[in-house]
Amino acid sequence: QVQLQESGPGLVKPSQTLSLTCAISGDSVSSKSAAWNWIRQSPSRGLEWLGRTYYRSKWSNNYAVSVKSRITIKPDTSKNQFSLQLNSMTPEDTAVYYCTRSGDLGVLDYWGQGALVTVSS
Amino acid sequence: QSVLTQPPSASGTPGQRVTFSCSGSTSNIGSNSVHWYQQFPGTAPKLLIYRDNQRPSGVPDRFSGSKSGTSASLAISGLQSEDEADYYCAAWDDSLTWLFGGGTKLTVL
Repeated sequence: QVQLQESGPGLVKPSQTLSLTCAISGDSVSSKSAAWNWIRQSPSRGLEWLGRTYYRSKWSNNYAVSVKSRITIKPDTSKNQFSLQLNSMTPEDTAVYYCTRSGDLGVLDYWGQGALVTVSS
Repeated sequence: QSVLTQPPSASGTPGQRVTFSCSGSTSNIGSNSVHWYQQFPGTAPKLLIYRDNQRPSGVPDRFSGSKSGTSASLAISGLQSEDEADYYCAAWDDSLTWLFGGGTKLTVL
């Protein structure tokens, strides 16, 4: 059974950088049949996919256009986890952030419990 | 505004059959699978239907999905009070993006 667990600060100041980590158990971040995604949810924006990282013969990323200029998603193979870095945070980035897996069925099948991030001074 | 369009609310009485719609375009629903999620307050979305009409292990057969062209539907038959939740559709888009609907809030009267 795959399990995902987000960790990181619950409060970020405007203009600062958000850093979240997702610990993976039951699968490998280097799996050639999985992709590792970050998704957020807020009342104003609903469910919004932010981006993903995945390994086939090399590491690759895809990012949502809405955050492409300020997002980085990176794998950490030594700890079997992946991370989200989102720069220049504003109150509009306040949301619950989920890490998820898309597996060989091509669906976002496993989700972390979510991490509430509030952007406020 | 979500790219996949869902009605914001739906309701039904216990035992009834209710359906939810999800409308997209040729670059997402029209060319890729649709998936459905159920979400209760304070919890993560749970996969309910994948690849248009497949149920993960443990999902009752009261839940079913279908797709035609650029639209998809989720149906719940024999509605139960514990089905009261938010329901979201999702699809991969050819622009290399996951898209979600805005969600439909189901009320069991």
